[in-house]
Amino acid sequence: NAGVTQTPKFRILKIGQSMTLQCTQDMNHNYMYWYRQDPGMGLKLIYYSVGAGITDKGEVPNGYNVSRSTTEDFPLRLELAAPSQTSVYFCASRMQGEVFQPQHFGDGTRLSIL
Amino acid sequence: QQQVKQSPQSLIVQKGGISIINCAYENTAFDYFPWYQQFPGKGPALLIAIRPDVSEKKEGRFTISFNKSAKQFSLHIMDSQPGDSATYFCAASSGGSNYKLTFGKGTLLTVNP
Repeated sequence: NAGVTQTPKFRILKIGQSMTLQCTQDMNHNYMYWYRQDPGMGLKLIYYSVGAGITDKGEVPNGYNVSRSTTEDFPLRLELAAPSQTSVYFCASRMQGEVFQPQHFGDGTRLSIL
Repeated sequence: QQQVKQSPQSLIVQKGGISIINCAYENTAFDYFPWYQQFPGKGPALLIAIRPDVSEKKEGRFTISFNKSAKQFSLHIMDSQPGDSATYFCAASSGGSNYKLTFGKGTLLTVNP
């Protein structure tokens, strides 16, 4: 199993450009999450989804959009890139069910906005 | 408002020593407390986790101690090894919040040979 796969691994954007960060999982997990990680700040939740067609905002959703048309895929869209969105982005997925189920993370997309 | 406070920010220990990382939380609805380990260039990976109905959980050299009344939990790494050098995150979640994880800010652990 590949687990959670994120593409691209690295990207440099110019201010005002847009892009989509891809995330796919092959574990048939209903729950999926997008986080951003900034140095010394831990991980902050951007958006999450509890199943296909259902998404909701996390702690820091401004400047981002998501969609969930299939169980496997959960892309994150940046519409007008700003320097404040320079970060490492992680996608995670989780099995539906009991409390004691971990979130599984991809290896991240490192994004620089210049 | 940070709901999970983690300390220290960084920690240096000698090989064979004990590493201790502490976390405190505020939300009493939290019912799942995982620790994640992250190596450079990789995503966080679950290391060990505990539920609030137990006070300690041990897996190999890694132990979580949990104090529900104080709303604190800690990670102890016994016989620390250079391969344990990584960033460690504590986190908390609840089923009522759709299992969203609230992370501490992380601790960079360096184990010197």
